[in-house]
Amino acid sequence: GAVVSQHPSRVICKSGTSVKIECRSLDFQATTMFWYRQFPKQSLMLMATSNEGSKATYEQGVEKDKFLINHASLTLSTLTVTSAHPEDSSFYICSARMYRDREHTEAFFGQGTRLTVV
Amino acid sequence: SQQGEEDPQALSIQEGENATMNCSYKTSINNLQWYRQNSGRGLVHLILIRSNEREKHSGRLRVTLDTSKKSSSLLITASRAADTASYFCATALSGYSTLTFGKGTMLLVSP
Repeated sequence: GAVVSQHPSRVICKSGTSVKIECRSLDFQATTMFWYRQFPKQSLMLMATSNEGSKATYEQGVEKDKFLINHASLTLSTLTVTSAHPEDSSFYICSARMYRDREHTEAFFGQGTRLTVV
Repeated sequence: SQQGEEDPQALSIQEGENATMNCSYKTSINNLQWYRQNSGRGLVHLILIRSNEREKHSGRLRVTLDTSKKSSSLLITASRAADTASYFCATALSGYSTLTFGKGTMLLVSP
């Protein structure tokens, strides 16, 4: 299957600082990428849809100014957690969509980033 | 609200046994997908079943879809310790829509 690389895999930062997470599709172009947040032993919650060359679409309840998303190229989307606080500590996962055929797409996921804010 | 709901939440079996996980959803869908997640890692796509399909196989995996009952099942035959992971179903309302994930089933396969 296609490869999506997410970096870093783990990051610890101090409260008030910003953290950038990168998501790259290595062997295909992804016009659309998705950012999820996952709490321990829970499901993935979609945070936002990142579209290349345009503004991201955020899900209800997700703060746009706190979670900045940039999708500057067809292979790279970044999520920046600004002014991080301990409650932002979580597992963040990106995925990139590949069009399999005219009717269906398949999502490929990055390895995830464990963010700990101290 | 979550579109997909898996049960059981947790399943513990011995190597060699079969594992069955179920997923129910609420609205009409275009396709349903199953993913696997090892602890602390990303998700790996296992299988996609379209709304006009009833059953699909991939290796030791068998997925069924009953659109009248809005449910799907994932069967892993002859399980191995390496199958230990969380398994999620995800539904897509259209071929291009975002995926909505269920809460997942944690599978533990003991040697």
